[in-house]
Amino acid sequence: QQQVKQSPQSLIVQKGGIPIINCAYENTAFDYFPWYQQFPGKGPALLIAIRPDVSEKKEGRFTISFNKSAKQFSLHIMDSQPGDSATYFCAASRYSGGSNYKLTFGKGTLLTVNP
Amino acid sequence: DAGITQSPRHKVTETGTPVTLRCHQTENHRYMYWYRQDPGHGLRLIHYSYGVKDTDKGEVSDGYSVSRSKTEDFLLTLESATSSQTSVYFCAISDLYREAKNIQYFGAGTRLSVL
Repeated sequence: QQQVKQSPQSLIVQKGGIPIINCAYENTAFDYFPWYQQFPGKGPALLIAIRPDVSEKKEGRFTISFNKSAKQFSLHIMDSQPGDSATYFCAASRYSGGSNYKLTFGKGTLLTVNP
Repeated sequence: DAGITQSPRHKVTETGTPVTLRCHQTENHRYMYWYRQDPGHGLRLIHYSYGVKDTDKGEVSDGYSVSRSKTEDFLLTLESATSSQTSVYFCAISDLYREAKNIQYFGAGTRLSVL
């Protein structure tokens, strides 16, 4: 059962374009939604995160839009650069008992930004 | 990589042999996780630890065991490696009291090939 669905699997844009990556979830117990960026040969690194009581969050050129009623959230990259070429993962966190939280990841989007 | 060292970084082994991967952290974080990353599957949780000697299974735990005898070390053991365990393995850490909602920080990964 895939609890976080991410699309598209891959995305190619030109420099300066605005790639958009979408994620959807079903479990309303999720209450925190981070995005991770992964470069080849590296581990995923936290990029930006949002809580469900906020509809939008911006950090530099990266923006998360969140639609709680639709159970969807998306990542927008403004003025994309070749250095943004990486795999992006959305994730959702939920309380799992005791003092523990678990992350569920989408399957990832390979973004290529052409010069 | 947030004070996380994974060793070895690369390993080639034969089917049926035992393999142990090590994750060492210098952040004194309480929670540690082992994930595997495979094309088309994203990141899947194998096991996690919520304290010394406290561990639990993730979604793909069959064929794997873990141990945590010290806060800083989390070991992942493949008792008898199979070709289906060829993957990239990532360790992650988090500390609930320093970050809200389980933000996880990842190591650089171990690429394991089982021939």
